[in-house]
Amino acid sequence: DAKTTQPTSMDCAEGRAANLPCNHSTISGNEYVYWYRQIHSQGPQYIIHGLKNNETNEMASLIITEDRKSSTLILPHATLRDTAVYYCIVRGFDRGSTLGRLYFGRGTQLTVWP
Amino acid sequence: DGGITQSPKYLFRKEGQNVTLSCEQNLNHDAMYWYRQDPGQGLRLIYYSQIVNDFQKGDIAEGYSVSREKKESFPLTVTSAQKNPTAFYLCASSFTGDQPQHFGDGTRLSIL
Repeated sequence: DAKTTQPTSMDCAEGRAANLPCNHSTISGNEYVYWYRQIHSQGPQYIIHGLKNNETNEMASLIITEDRKSSTLILPHATLRDTAVYYCIVRGFDRGSTLGRLYFGRGTQLTVWP
Repeated sequence: DGGITQSPKYLFRKEGQNVTLSCEQNLNHDAMYWYRQDPGQGLRLIYYSQIVNDFQKGDIAEGYSVSREKKESFPLTVTSAQKNPTAFYLCASSFTGDQPQHFGDGTRLSIL
């Protein structure tokens, strides 16, 4: 159960901001939203995560709505190297476990064009 | 450089053979994970380990086995009981079970 819904694909012009949406309407109060990306034939790369506040790091910004039912990953100045599959993941915890499970869906294929 | 090393990058197996995939990390992470990815799909959890000498089954553990004798190493054995082993296998690690996971570059297993 991936727990998230993302568009299958998106395009973005190089140098423009890429805004990738994600719906997670069944998220629980203690579950984090994680974003990873995967370039073909490589392992997923961690981008950012958050609980309820907006977050920013050197790679991207994460905007989470106040009701936490959706979020947006923002790549402020997309480059050709940002072409990848982007996964929005809700990190859940099994009963009695301290290990957060990552439930991967199919993600969004972002294509950045020149 | 610290990181996660998976070897080999490509692996071929004959029908009925067991094969072991290597995963080594020098990040001093306690938790390690194995995932399987099929074409066009997301990742599915096979096994995970939060600490040395302890591991738990994930969602698709049947036909696989693991060991965690050292903190740095978490090898995955694909046994002959796994009926559809052709896939891309990814190893990950994290400091603790609730910290971000970092992935290796994967091993692609094919059946001859």
